[in-house]
Amino acid sequence: ETGVTQTPRHLVMGMTNKKSLKCEQHLGHNAMYWYKQSAKKPLELMFVYNFKEQTENNSVPSRFSPECPNSSHLFLHLHTLQPEDSALYLCASSLRQFETQYFGPGTRLLVL
Amino acid sequence: KQEVTQIPAALSVPEGENLVLNCSFTDSAIYNLQWFRQDPGKGLTSLLLIQSSQREQTSGRLNASLDKSSGRSTLYIAASQPGDSATYLCAVGTTSGTYKYIFGTGTRLKVLA
Repeated sequence: ETGVTQTPRHLVMGMTNKKSLKCEQHLGHNAMYWYKQSAKKPLELMFVYNFKEQTENNSVPSRFSPECPNSSHLFLHLHTLQPEDSALYLCASSLRQFETQYFGPGTRLLVL
Repeated sequence: KQEVTQIPAALSVPEGENLVLNCSFTDSAIYNLQWFRQDPGKGLTSLLLIQSSQREQTSGRLNASLDKSSGRSTLYIAASQPGDSATYLCAVGTTSGTYKYIFGTGTRLKVLA
């Protein structure tokens, strides 16, 4: 266990649904990240938050909306997704940006 | 634009062998480099982090080296065990433009008992 938890672990949603992914860490880390992992493709950074402020949006479509209410929690709000958004969504945290990252187990998302 | 390549994509070895996994990157202006392991259906576990000023890092049976000028890092695994079977990913912390990690596609390792 890395100390980073993600819920739900699995999610199936239709293209018109709205859902949220949750990430939580109590490691005292100040940086949190969302990554997308698709089959046969490298892990892609989506968003970075440093001290609750978004410092990176890697050209992510607006149907993905992140929220970081405090340094321990990170959300990814999903709406009107496409089937190609089906992937493993991983959350990570680090004490400071660019230090050792600790990953959660991921949420396996299937969009029908 | 930074690109990270890992070769080979897959590797199968008998237990006890020493092995080397390779990671190459195109832009030497890196902040650090991190090696991870990922078990099927799981998140990533950090193995080693090498700062750009360092040449190598060691942890147990693992040794990672970094040669910035040639754009290469290697992960050496000594006396491999079936429990080492996983996908190994390298991630380059880039300082060109904004700060972020660029990941390779990984090497899928299987150690046979």
